[in-house]
Formats: sequence, structure tokens, C-alpha cells
Amino acid sequence: DTEVTQTPKHLVMGMTNKKSLKCEQHMGHRAMYWYKQKAKKPPELMFVYSYEKLSINESVPSRFSPECPNSSLLNLHLHALQPEDSALYLCASSPDRVGHEQYFGPGTRLTVT
Amino acid sequence: EDQVTQSPEALRLQEGESSSLNCSYTVSGLRGLFWYRQDPGKGPEFLFTLYSAGEEKEKERLKATLTKKESFLHITAPKPEDSATYLCAVQARTGANNLFFGTGTRLTVIP
Repeated sequence: DTEVTQTPKHLVMGMTNKKSLKCEQHMGHRAMYWYKQKAKKPPELMFVYSYEKLSINESVPSRFSPECPNSSLLNLHLHALQPEDSALYLCASSPDRVGHEQYFGPGTRLTVT
Repeated sequence: EDQVTQSPEALRLQEGESSSLNCSYTVSGLRGLFWYRQDPGKGPEFLFTLYSAGEEKEKERLKATLTKKESFLHITAPKPEDSATYLCAVQARTGANNLFFGTGTRLTVIP
């Protein structure tokens, strides 16, 4: 089983709202990732967790706050977003950080109004 | 600087018309090259990993090959359900071990 699940599938939020995106995998992978993808562009890395510790934050604004409660779960907390943050948010996991393919979830389509 | 370039940007094929997609890369030591398929509004679906020049992988109508400078994704006798964007990504041996994605090839197979 190579499934990564994400909830919700769609999210519409105002600029003053607080919401969270959730991601789960049960493959025993020790690395998990958040990506942002705009239309007709490749995925853009936001955060990397390795063994439940944040190892990379690609200069993402503080209105995005990641959390890794355990090795199977990854959250992305959203607060005071801007309309330009509207995008497809993808979660991925891999057995380890190095030399392995990443498996992506279906994504959350986020619209900020 | 690490770079990945995919061509063509878009490709239209008749059903059954075989072709190849190209992924050219420049990295400071290749750790792995990955091919993904992505349908509109969905997450990328993993297809293949290639680690060294000369390596080949096959799955149904798809075959991926790797040289020291580029990778090809060969599509044999494509069907309309093969229509998707195909993404290539590389991981370098140095640096942060992130995946560098190309901008993709948007494939349309016409019945």
C-alpha cells in the first residue's frame, strides 16, 4: 500500500480565518513533506520533516505553520493567508530523506478569499 | 546550479502513435531521477526511479531510460487514458537532498 491521504479535499477560507490541513500515511515512512503547487507549475517544496523533526523550511512565510504529531501524521496550520496563497497543497512521504521516491497524496485545493 | 529541463512542453499524439519525452538534467552528482504522472487537480503519481546511467525501467506502455545527461520516457502505442502531465525530478548527492522538478510535459492522446 502506497497511499497518502489528505483532508480536506477542498478548502475555502477568508484572510482572517485559521484552518488546518491534515496528512496521514501508514507506510512506516520516516520523511514527510509539504509542497505547494500553482496551476501549470511543478510542486514547490515548503517543509520537510525527517524522523518527526523539522529539517527544512524553505523560507516559507510564518502564516504557514507545520506540525508533525507523530511519524504517521503531518499538519499544516494556516492563519491570515493572502489570496496569492490559493493553490493545491500536496503532502508526500518517503522511506527516508535520501535516495527514495516520494509518494504524494491527492492534495487539498485551497482558495483564499 | 542544479537544473532540470523537460521537453517538449506539450505533446499531442494520435492513439497508437509512439513517442518520447525528454528530461535533461544538470546536477552535482545524481543520486536518483524520478518520473511522475500527474492528472489535473490531483497529486503526482510515482512511476519510476532511475539511479545510474544505462538503467531502464518498464511499466505497461511506459519505459524510462537514463544517460549521464538526460532521461527519456518512451510511450508505446499510447491510449487516451495516458493523457496527463509527466514530471521528471532529480535528487542530487550534495546539498539538502531535495527533489528538483522539471516543469513537465503535458501529453494529450487523441482517440
